[in-house]
This record gives sequence, structure tokens and C-alpha cells, in this order.
Amino acid sequence: DAGVIQSPRHEVTEMGQEVTLRCKPISGHNSLFWYRQTMMRGLELLIYFNNNVPIDDSGMPEDRFSAKMPNASFSTLKIQPSEPRDSAVYFCASREMGGVETEAFFGQGTRLTVV
Amino acid sequence: DAKTTQPPSMDCAEGRAANLPCNHSTISGNEYVYWYRQIHSQGPQYIIHGLKNNETNEMASLIITEDRKSSTLILPHATLRDTAVYYCIVRVRNDYKLSFGAGTTVTVRA
Repeated sequence: DAGVIQSPRHEVTEMGQEVTLRCKPISGHNSLFWYRQTMMRGLELLIYFNNNVPIDDSGMPEDRFSAKMPNASFSTLKIQPSEPRDSAVYFCASREMGGVETEAFFGQGTRLTVV
Repeated sequence: DAKTTQPPSMDCAEGRAANLPCNHSTISGNEYVYWYRQIHSQGPQYIIHGLKNNETNEMASLIITEDRKSSTLILPHATLRDTAVYYCIVRVRNDYKLSFGAGTTVTVRA
């Protein structure tokens, strides 16, 4: 398996633009996570999906952020409109929960810069 | 509400063992100790976890004190590629949340 795949790896956008980050989890994993990492706040959990259903979105900063998981093999994190303070590295992770559990596997991240 | 305390940084000589301490004095009976690391510009990577017994895998060993209030991650023969931030996390086994603290920045020097 290629692991968790995120795209793009780098994104530079202007303030006010819409940004969409993409994630393909490891096949067979039923749980997906979006994290954000900044120097000031470290790694923060934004949202957690189980079986494609959002379970905990308490970490989503505000209404400008939204996440979807239309099927087991794809998720998006959208920021609209983007602001400079959204600049961060965004990680997607997946794991198998329940039954034979695995630990979380993280993607390489998307480095977002909003200018 | 940090559940773990780690030194902010430490250096290690290449080829020597690296011993990374972690204090978790408020750990509950059903909470495990997990270690992850994050190499620069990469996503966090799972290393090892344990409940109360010492654990070893191909990457590292985990030593947990008898009272479970602290633990040590041991990298037996550190290489330059082990330079990373190492996170000690305590959580219930099937809890979905991974709460990352500041971790320990480990620099392996030639």
C-alpha cells in the first residue's frame, strides 16, 4: 500500500480564495483524521470521521472550514475564504478502529501558505 | 491539560543508545503509553506502545516503571535518520484522539 496520500503537497493562495485539500486513506481503514500543525499550536485534531461519518468536528476552527468524506477512499478539507492565519501544514491520517486495530498512519502533509 | 512531560530537547551520539524520558504521573489504569516521532517535513510516525510491561519492536524499546508514572523510549543504536521530534502520548487503547504535546527534539550527531 502506498500509505496515506495527500494532495497537493504545497499550496500558495491569496487571501479570500477557496482552498481544497485532498486525502486518500489507506485501503481498508475505516477512520480518517485531519490535523493542522503550526509553530504556535503544534499538532491539533480538526475532525475525525468513522465509516465516512463525521464523529468529532470540535477542532474545526470556524465556519470557514469544512470537511467531507463522500466515500471510504477520499476526503477533502475546504477553507473558504482563506486567511493568512490559516497558513499551516495540514495532515491527514487513517487507521482501522474496532476489530483488528491499527495505529494511525499519517500522510506527508499539505503545506498551505495564504498570502 | 498536558498528560505527559518531556524534556524539550536532547542530543545523542550516532551509534549510541538514545534514552528518551517521559513523565505521566496522572496516567489512569486503562491508559496506554504511545510514542510517535516526526521527522522534519514528514507526518508523525508510530513507534511503539505499552500498558505496563516493557515492549520491544524493530524500531525501539519501551520501558515503563512499575508505578507507571514514567517511561523511557530507547533507540538502541541511534542513526542520523533518527533525528526528529519524539512525542510521548497517553490514551485509552481504542480512543481516537491523539493529543500531541511539544515533544522532545532529538538531534543525533555524527
